[in-house]
Amino acid sequence: DGGITQSPKYLFRKEGQNVTLSCEQNLNHDAMYWYRQDPGQGLRLIYYSQIVNDFQKGDIAEGYSVSREKKESFPLTVTSAQKNPTAFYLCASSIVAGAGTEAFFGQGTRLTVV
Amino acid sequence: AQSVAQPEDQVNVAEGNPLTVKCTYSVSGNPYLFWYVQYPNRGLQFLLKYITGDNLVKGSYGFEAEFNKSQTSFHLKKPSALVSDSALYFCAVRDISGNTPLVFGKGTRLSVIA
Repeated sequence: DGGITQSPKYLFRKEGQNVTLSCEQNLNHDAMYWYRQDPGQGLRLIYYSQIVNDFQKGDIAEGYSVSREKKESFPLTVTSAQKNPTAFYLCASSIVAGAGTEAFFGQGTRLTVV
Repeated sequence: AQSVAQPEDQVNVAEGNPLTVKCTYSVSGNPYLFWYVQYPNRGLQFLLKYITGDNLVKGSYGFEAEFNKSQTSFHLKKPSALVSDSALYFCAVRDISGNTPLVFGKGTRLSVIA
């Protein structure tokens, strides 16, 4: 069954902790993205990657880090430097970055700081 | 820079009535335009897109959207709303001349009342 899998669905983080959100896709897509969703603010781009071993910062990259060691995987680490990490995080992928291709989304990870 | 505006935070419509969710965009060149729907605590589902050609685009679940270049708009429409259409709707844009991720609006919450 093809698609994008995000895990975990819910994640709780203590102050000062780093946490990693998983995103895996079996769609053979080149490009992958991380967005953050906050109520009333829509989706904001954190990082994106168009090819293995390469990624670019989005609009709100501070306090986050990513890696793209495999085509299928694009994990996001929320570091202790991110002052307000509580949000809904969405991973997406597309055939190529650019062009008229739509992005496909995972089911999201809800991160809460406790 | 690309941007999308969804001027209405909330749209209320009676079941069986036509619905419109508004979207205007700004890009430096020609746009690729997309509509997505999100149900509570879920990822985004692709509804439809405009790439080129006919200004009226038909998509999933009976939705359609009309591209209007002179008004830089891409409004989502449905002739007869269902209660199950109640959800959060996002418009997104990508400039076809750039190799960039989708830029999303802030979303419009549609409430269909029985």
